[in-house]
Amino acid sequence: GAGVSQSPRYKVAKRGQDVALRCDPISGHVSLFWYQQALGQGPEFLTYFQNEAQLDKSGLPSDRFFAERPEGSVSTLKIQRTQQEDSAVYLCASSWGLAGPTDTQYFGPGTRLTVL
Amino acid sequence: AQSVAQPEDQVNVAEGNPLTVKCTYSVSGNPYLFWYVQYPNRGLQFLLKYITGDNLVKGSYGFEAEFNKSQTSFHLKKPSALVSDSALYFCAVRDRYTDKLIFGTGTRLQVFP
Repeated sequence: GAGVSQSPRYKVAKRGQDVALRCDPISGHVSLFWYQQALGQGPEFLTYFQNEAQLDKSGLPSDRFFAERPEGSVSTLKIQRTQQEDSAVYLCASSWGLAGPTDTQYFGPGTRLTVL
Repeated sequence: AQSVAQPEDQVNVAEGNPLTVKCTYSVSGNPYLFWYVQYPNRGLQFLLKYITGDNLVKGSYGFEAEFNKSQTSFHLKKPSALVSDSALYFCAVRDRYTDKLIFGTGTRLQVFP
């Protein structure tokens, strides 16, 4: 079956532009996560959905970051007025969401965002 | 606060030799521990996880990990390294109160022919 897919794979934005990053989770997965991976670092949590409900957005670095999952499947991470420090790889992961903390998260290939 | 540490930025090993990538954790309560591998321009691939039970966990591609509660460690191992194992390896712990993963800084494994 298909894994987690993300688009675009690469995005170059001028400082101040808005960007939208898309994540298609594995079919049937209830939980969806967004992580940010800066160069040379481990991924850091941004936000988490269970179906369409955003249960945790504590990792979003500023109010310029916004995520949604309106129908409980595809999710979009939007960054407004991009800054150079937003340059990173944005990873999406999904899991069944039925086994709680023992669930395995499966990751997509990521979107590499470069802000000039 | 829960955390994991990967003390080695890079591990070098000759093909055919055993490899170990180290991870230590700091959690309150029972730890849920994971290993992922990342190849260039790819996302993270799940290798294995420890939830409970047997301290030796077997995973994908011949990898295994040993959970040691007294040493708070969860080292990744493989009996015989392959050049194709060269990649970036991340240890992670599941946050006790949410479902998010908390990752270490990663260890680059280089296997030389």
